[in-house]
This record gives sequence, structure tokens and C-alpha cells, in this order.
Amino acid sequence: GDSVTQMEGPVTLSEEAFLTINCTYTATGYPSLFWYVQYPGEGLQLLLKATKADDKGSNKGFEATYRKETTSFHLEKGSVQVSDSAVYFCALSDGSARQLTFGSGTQLTVLP
Amino acid sequence: EAGVAQSPRYKIIEKRQSVAFWCNPISGHATLYWYQQILGQGPKLLIQFQNNGVVDDSQLPKDRFSAERLKGVDSTLKIQPAKLEDSAVYLCASSLGGSQNQPQHFGDGTRLSIL
Repeated sequence: GDSVTQMEGPVTLSEEAFLTINCTYTATGYPSLFWYVQYPGEGLQLLLKATKADDKGSNKGFEATYRKETTSFHLEKGSVQVSDSAVYFCALSDGSARQLTFGSGTQLTVLP
Repeated sequence: EAGVAQSPRYKIIEKRQSVAFWCNPISGHATLYWYQQILGQGPKLLIQFQNNGVVDDSQLPKDRFSAERLKGVDSTLKIQPAKLEDSAVYLCASSLGGSQNQPQHFGDGTRLSIL
């Protein structure tokens, strides 16, 4: 079945540092890929998405490129802020049911 | 637009009691999902509705969990009787439906604690 593997956390960075959170996936078809962010006490918010190979999703300074050859969708940001502290989830949607399969999440803490 | 609304935000019950959660999706969203998120894990799909019909409930523990979506709008998820391992955040999400590219919009969840 489909699965998503995320880099284990927690990740702690200083403000303005470069961020990479690794994500790889296994899917039988041609999935769409997503990054969701969850702030404390809140539900998940869509951060960015990519729907086909070589697509780059971007939002709020975050980027991720759909790499079919390496089955990866790594999240990057050039300069993190304290307000980026949250849990980040990589997910895929595959098949006609359009269901999301999530990774286990990566806790990011950014220190001032 | 108003987001996905869930209530209650928190619930504490003893094991073997029953509990119900409510979800009001974004207006016009045909597809509704219930997820269970155990601490430290990603959300796991419990059930998916398309309008008022069930699309997938293969991961719903049907001996104790039930869900309905009357009139294709609001939905309720019930647990009866609750077990300790049901302690989790229960998330509701909705989407327009259609292609797999339609994003899901999540509510803030109900945090359930079983004593």
C-alpha cells in the first residue's frame, strides 16, 4: 500500500537558518504530494502541493519539488523564523478515493 | 469563507463510556473525512463520505465506532464503548471532491482523553 516516510524529529534551528525536512514516498500510481503544517492546538493547514513529476510547490518561503526518480518531496526554506515552529506533515493522495496518507510528522522548533 | 467547525474542542471520559463528536464542513464541500491522530503520529483516515454516502470505512473499528452524515452536510462520529487506546485528536476535514488535487481543509479537532 501507499506510505510516506519523513525525517524524524525533533528539529531545532536558530532563526534565519536553512531548513530541510526529508520526505520519501511509496505509491502504486501517480500521486499528488502535499505538505501540511500543524500549529499547537490547531488542525492541519495545507502549506503547499505538487501534482506531477518535477512540479515545484511553494508558499510562505517554503518550497518542495516532486522528484519521481527518487520518490521524494523534501521541504526547504532558506531562512526560518520563530513563527515557523510547528509540526510538518508530508502526505500523498493517490487513486480515485482521493484519500490522504500522512507521514508521522516532524516537529520544528526555531529559536530566536 | 468559514472553515471546518468541530465541537467539542476537548472531551474527557472514562473507559467504557460513550462520546460523540460533531463536524460542520465548509459550505459546498461534498467530501467529508474523519481522521484519528494519536500523539506523535500522523492522522489516520477513519471514514470518508461523499455527500451522505460512505466511500471508505475500511479502517473504522466498527465494533465501537460509528459515523453518519445526514443530508450530506454535518457529520457525527461516535465511540461506544470507549477504550484507553482511543485517546487521540479526532480531526474532521472536507474538500470539494472531484480530482485528487482538491485540497482537504481541516478543522481544529477534538482532543479526547480516556481515563
